[in-house]
Amino acid sequence: GAVVSQHPSWVICKSGTSVKIECRSLDFQATTMFWYRQFPKQSLMLMATSNEGSKATYEQGVEKDKFLINHASLTLSTLTVTSAHPEDSSFYICSASRGRAYTDTQYFGPGTRLTVL
Amino acid sequence: AQSVAQPEDQVNVAEGNPLTVKCTYSVSGNPYLFWYVQYPNRGLQFLLKYITGDNLVKGSYGFEAEFNKSQTSFHLKKPSALVSDSALYFCAVRAILTGGGNKLTFGTGTQLKVEL
Repeated sequence: GAVVSQHPSWVICKSGTSVKIECRSLDFQATTMFWYRQFPKQSLMLMATSNEGSKATYEQGVEKDKFLINHASLTLSTLTVTSAHPEDSSFYICSASRGRAYTDTQYFGPGTRLTVL
Repeated sequence: AQSVAQPEDQVNVAEGNPLTVKCTYSVSGNPYLFWYVQYPNRGLQFLLKYITGDNLVKGSYGFEAEFNKSQTSFHLKKPSALVSDSALYFCAVRAILTGGGNKLTFGTGTQLKVEL
């Protein structure tokens, strides 16, 4: 149990276009979902936390108008990179947690490789 | 603020030998500690976590970790390494008294290379 999927696994887009990435918890309901960004050979940087039915909480320095997050149901969260630019190219990883407790485990998706030309 | 340190960028070990991947943490309250493994171009897989209780935590794939409060460490161990264990390992911490809610803070990762 505790499987998280992401779609697409990789995407290439032109500069100025928008890209949507989906994160789904397949066998559990996720009260909270998280979006991370990972640069090559670096650790994960939390971008935002989303709770089902409420607005996402963004980390300092992350532009909320550029990285739109929607957590419409207990099994689906989406990240839309608007007006993408080459510097947005990165590996985006989502995670999901059953609850909001500090002891709850985050289960991670396989990641989405975004390349902006 | 909470932080995690993984002092080794890479650990090399021969197959069949024991392995240790080091992790130390800094938090202002009780720590909740996690280990994850990442294979190339993949997301993170949960290995184990320490919440409370026994200091020795057993996890997936034969891995275990020992919580040491006095040394603020949570080293990952395995008695006998396999080539298939070669991957990037992340230690993470979450503390109940931080203002970050459920935010996990990750270490920089340690690349484990197991050779025949």
